[in-house]
Amino acid sequence: DVKVTQSSRYLVKRTGEKVFLECVQDMDHENMFWYRQDPGLGLRLIYFSYDVKMKEKGDIPEGYSVSREKKERFSLILESASTNQTSMYLCASRRPRSPYEQYFGPGTRLTVT
Amino acid sequence: DAKTTQPNSMESNEEEPVHLPCNHSTISGTDYIHWYRQLPSQGPEYVIHGLTSNVNNRMASLAIAEDRKSSTLILHRATLRDAAVYYCVAYSGAGSYQLTFGKGTKLSVIP
Repeated sequence: DVKVTQSSRYLVKRTGEKVFLECVQDMDHENMFWYRQDPGLGLRLIYFSYDVKMKEKGDIPEGYSVSREKKERFSLILESASTNQTSMYLCASRRPRSPYEQYFGPGTRLTVT
Repeated sequence: DAKTTQPNSMESNEEEPVHLPCNHSTISGTDYIHWYRQLPSQGPEYVIHGLTSNVNNRMASLAIAEDRKSSTLILHRATLRDAAVYYCVAYSGAGSYQLTFGKGTKLSVIP
């Protein structure tokens, strides 16, 4: 079975802190994603990486950066956390070919106070 | 990706079959039909996908209408663990890599 793990299930940080969220997948998938999920807003893509060291901005990249130095690991960085970044963060991975199903991690519930 | 329409909520008794419908009337020929589910406070979980033919896996079955404008996810015997929000997505994946979930169907399972 595909496994996608995220470094923390719950995280509480203060405004202005730098926050690192890590995601690891064990299926040798080329593509990896970071989403955030908020009530009423659904899934929103923050960043996408189609391979090592490759990244593309999603719909809401402001305030975030990413790093993909190894195929299995995709990190999301909040440069200076703000209260409007309180959210559920979801990492996903997939192969870059049909049917393109995505496999998600368990999520990190981040609260910024 | 094509827009999908699902009922907001459904109820089922435990150990009964559940049929979750989805309409995707604007689906294109290259769109796969994917189903995901999300348990409370968990990440979404891939359930099943299909293109034209009906599909079975260990979690569920997917019945696709001949014109592909609708599909039905079938859980053969609902358990309490199946209580979740179920999302249907018509997704080509190649050009638009981002998954977009609609509101989904919240399934309640009654013991």
